[in-house]
Amino acid sequence: EDKVVQSPLSLVVHEGDTVTLNCSYEVTNFRSLLWYKQEKKAPTFLFMLTSSGIEKKSGRLSSILDKKELFSILNITATQTGDSAVYLCAGGTGYGGSEKLVFGKGTKLTVNP
Amino acid sequence: GAGVSQSPSNKVTEKGKDVELRCDPISGHTALYWYRQSLGQGLEFLIYFQGNSAPDKSGLPSDRFSAERTGGSVSTLTIQRTQQEDSAVYLCASSLVRQGTSEAFFGQGTRLTVV
Repeated sequence: EDKVVQSPLSLVVHEGDTVTLNCSYEVTNFRSLLWYKQEKKAPTFLFMLTSSGIEKKSGRLSSILDKKELFSILNITATQTGDSAVYLCAGGTGYGGSEKLVFGKGTKLTVNP
Repeated sequence: GAGVSQSPSNKVTEKGKDVELRCDPISGHTALYWYRQSLGQGLEFLIYFQGNSAPDKSGLPSDRFSAERTGGSVSTLTIQRTQQEDSAVYLCASSLVRQGTSEAFFGQGTRLTVV
């Protein structure tokens, strides 16, 4: 059965701290690893990773994938209160041009002023 | 359209009634997903449509749940004889699936409350 596990489940930090969120996956026909930020209802897309060892960056956020060890991390540096959200990781699994996303339960990040 | 559109945004229904939730995906996106998110929980996969292929219904929790996608575009998720445990936010996402990669974009969801 396809499975995505995120850790920690929740995290409380102070503004300015750096955080690392973890995601391990076991999915058949793995295609890609995606990160989303969910503040209210709709998750918003952050990153998609398909190749091992290549870091993707967007401002203070960065992410990397290890396809040998089957995990990914999401780093947030100099955290701000606006980073408070649930961060979701999803494994894309499929073949023949199709893909299904399997989500983890998320990490709830709270950034206090 | 510019983004994934879902309607209604909120729905309150009485136990035992049927409900229909609608999703308009981003124009041209071939893949469409339905997920359910209960309070404080992760996203639970329900069903996945990809082009003209048979949908992957493996996540539907019971035979009270069904979904259609007409003309490869709009999708409707139907829940028959609703139960209180069906209360959740129902999220729809779509993606343009290219070989080996895809980015799924979510709608704002429908919050369903069964009373």
